[in-house]
Amino acid sequence: EAQVTQNPRYLITVTGKKLTVTCSQNMNHEYMSWYRQDPGLGLRQIYYSMNVEVTDKGDVPEGYKVSRKEKRNFPLILESPSPNQTSLYFCASSLSGGPLGEQYFGPGTRLTVT
Amino acid sequence: GENVEQHPSTLSVQEGDSAVIKCTYSDSASNYFPWYKQELGKRPQLIIDIRSNVGEKKDQRIAVTLNKTAKHFSLHITETQPEDSAVYFCAAPPEGTYKYIFGTGTRLKVLA
Repeated sequence: EAQVTQNPRYLITVTGKKLTVTCSQNMNHEYMSWYRQDPGLGLRQIYYSMNVEVTDKGDVPEGYKVSRKEKRNFPLILESPSPNQTSLYFCASSLSGGPLGEQYFGPGTRLTVT
Repeated sequence: GENVEQHPSTLSVQEGDSAVIKCTYSDSASNYFPWYKQELGKRPQLIIDIRSNVGEKKDQRIAVTLNKTAKHFSLHITETQPEDSAVYFCAAPPEGTYKYIFGTGTRLKVLA
């Protein structure tokens, strides 16, 4: 089954404790992206990747890191999480052409930083 | 920078009525305009999209119209049903970048 998976789905952590949210897709998509969703602010792009070893900042990259060592995986790293990073996070992928095509979203990761 | 404004933020309609959601974008070179639907507790999913070489696209009860001169596009849902209740997001990726910019969302409630 073609899908985008994220882990963990729920995470409660404390300020400053490094964490990684994994994202994997099995559709051989070139483009992958991370978003955070906050009430009233919609979906805001954190980072995106056009292909292996090619990443760039979205609109809200501060406090986040990403890597794209393999085509299927695009982990999101929070090296020192803070309470303002409490949010619902979505990973997404699309076949090619960057954003000019359907984005397939993962199920989301709800992160709480205390 | 580029941005996408979406209105209204909430919309309540009676079952069977029509709903219209409008988005305005800033990058006049944008040429792809998708709409996503997010049901409660679920992930966003594409429901319809339009490219700048057409002015309207329909898929059953859903249609999207595009006015490139005015830089806005709209989602039209006719004969609304309770299962149309969801949050709807528009997007207008800026031309020449790989960014993806969403509107802030519209919560649609269809009242039975």
